[in-house]
Amino acid sequence: QKEVEQDPGPLSVPEGAIVSLNCTYSNSAFQYFMWYRQYSRKGPELLMYTYSSGNKEDGRFTAQVDKSSKYISLFIRDSQPSDSATYLCAMSAGAGTALIFGKGTTLSVSS
Amino acid sequence: DGGITQSPKYLFRKEGQNVTLSCEQNLNHDAMYWYRQDPGQGLRLIYYSQIVNDFQKGDIAEGYSVSREKKESFPLTVTSAQKNPTAFYLCASSIIGQSTNTGELFFGEGSRLTVL
Repeated sequence: QKEVEQDPGPLSVPEGAIVSLNCTYSNSAFQYFMWYRQYSRKGPELLMYTYSSGNKEDGRFTAQVDKSSKYISLFIRDSQPSDSATYLCAMSAGAGTALIFGKGTTLSVSS
Repeated sequence: DGGITQSPKYLFRKEGQNVTLSCEQNLNHDAMYWYRQDPGQGLRLIYYSQIVNDFQKGDIAEGYSVSREKKESFPLTVTSAQKNPTAFYLCASSIIGQSTNTGELFFGEGSRLTVL
């Protein structure tokens, strides 16, 4: 079993839809959970960061962590064509440990 | 502005040639990393370095070499021994050694290498 599993998609939705992106993981030591957004031919950039369990909201984006189920989610409300990108989940156990990435989910939002 | 600069953005190479990708950061980060990204395979770690003059192999180091002579610079050489070098290469950096460190990586814009 890979440490981090992420459905690669692709995922296609119409503008205005609610998008749910998910990752599962196996290492219970993970405490820091991140979502990176990567536009085509660009480097990934940090979108959301969450420590331990719970929710975090930033505008149209909500990150959820359920450590009991080893499951994290990113919700995008009122999706826009500019949200079309690859979304990578990433997680670490903290200081001095490696950041482990999922394979990324490619999202396309059509207008 | 602080950041990570990778060059060149696009590079073409003939089979059998070595090529060096540049990565420079002015974030004063201790650690630097090289990843390879192929469609459907996510990010795979090639090499990383946590301190000057020291580096460790990642998951797919064969056919690659690095050096870390300065804190700001971490060049990657793709050698002729790398069997399938056509890919998108990403350099990243991070802070280490702090109890509040989350392990967040800061990425450059990437270099796309194509072997002809």
